[in-house]
Amino acid sequence: EPEVTQTPSHQVTQMGQEVILRCVPISNHLYFYWYRQILGQKVEFLVSFYNNEISEKSEIFDDQFSVERPDGSNFTLKIRSTKLEDSAMYFCASIGQGDSPLHFGNGTRLTVT
Amino acid sequence: GQQLNQSPQSMFIQEGEDVSMNCTSSSIFNTWLWYKQDPGEGPVLLIALYKAGELTSNGRLTAQFGTTRKDSFLNISASIPSDVGIYFCAGQLLNPGYALNFGKGTSLLVTP
Repeated sequence: EPEVTQTPSHQVTQMGQEVILRCVPISNHLYFYWYRQILGQKVEFLVSFYNNEISEKSEIFDDQFSVERPDGSNFTLKIRSTKLEDSAMYFCASIGQGDSPLHFGNGTRLTVT
Repeated sequence: GQQLNQSPQSMFIQEGEDVSMNCTSSSIFNTWLWYKQDPGEGPVLLIALYKAGELTSNGRLTAQFGTTRKDSFLNISASIPSDVGIYFCAGQLLNPGYALNFGKGTSLLVTP
C-alpha cells in the first residue's frame, strides 16, 4: 500500500537555526498537510496545501513557517528561526479526494536545543 | 479551531474486556475519523465515518457517527495487548482545506 514518507525521522537543531522537514506524499494525492504534536498532547493542524498554494493555515503557522512543493513529489515545511517551543513531532499527511481520510507519515521528531 | 472533547482520557483494562470511548463537539463535521497512534509513529486510520448515523465495523472495532454529526463513539471488543496505544478522534471539516481537528486522545493500556 502506498505510504507517506518523511525524512529525517529525527532532527536536532539549535535555537535560531533554520530547518526543513521533508515529505513525499502518496503520488496521486492532491491535498497536502502538515500537523504537529507536542509530546503528550494532541495532534494540531498547521497548514493545508492544494493546487500549489496554501488553502488554510492555523494560528500556529506564523511567519516563521513556510511550505513548498518544489517538484512533483516533495512537500516541505521550513521553520526559518527555530524556537525551543517548536520541539515536537511533525506529521505530513495527504489525501486524494476532498473527503477521503488523511494518510499520515511516521513523522519527524524535531528537537530544538 | 473547533474543539473536540474526547473521553475518557485514559483506560486501564484487562485483556478480553470491551472498551468504549467517545468524542463530542459543538460543531458539525463532514467526516469523522478514528486513529490509533503507537509511540514514535504517526496516526493510523482505523475507521472513517461519512454519513450521520453511520455504524461501521473493522474487525473488533465498531464506530458510529452521531445523527447530529457532532459526536461519535468507538468500541473495541475483546481487547488484546496489541490494542495498547492512544486513540484519537478527528473531525474533518467541509472546507477548502479539509483540515482535521483532533481530540486529545484516549490512552489505552491492556494487561494480560
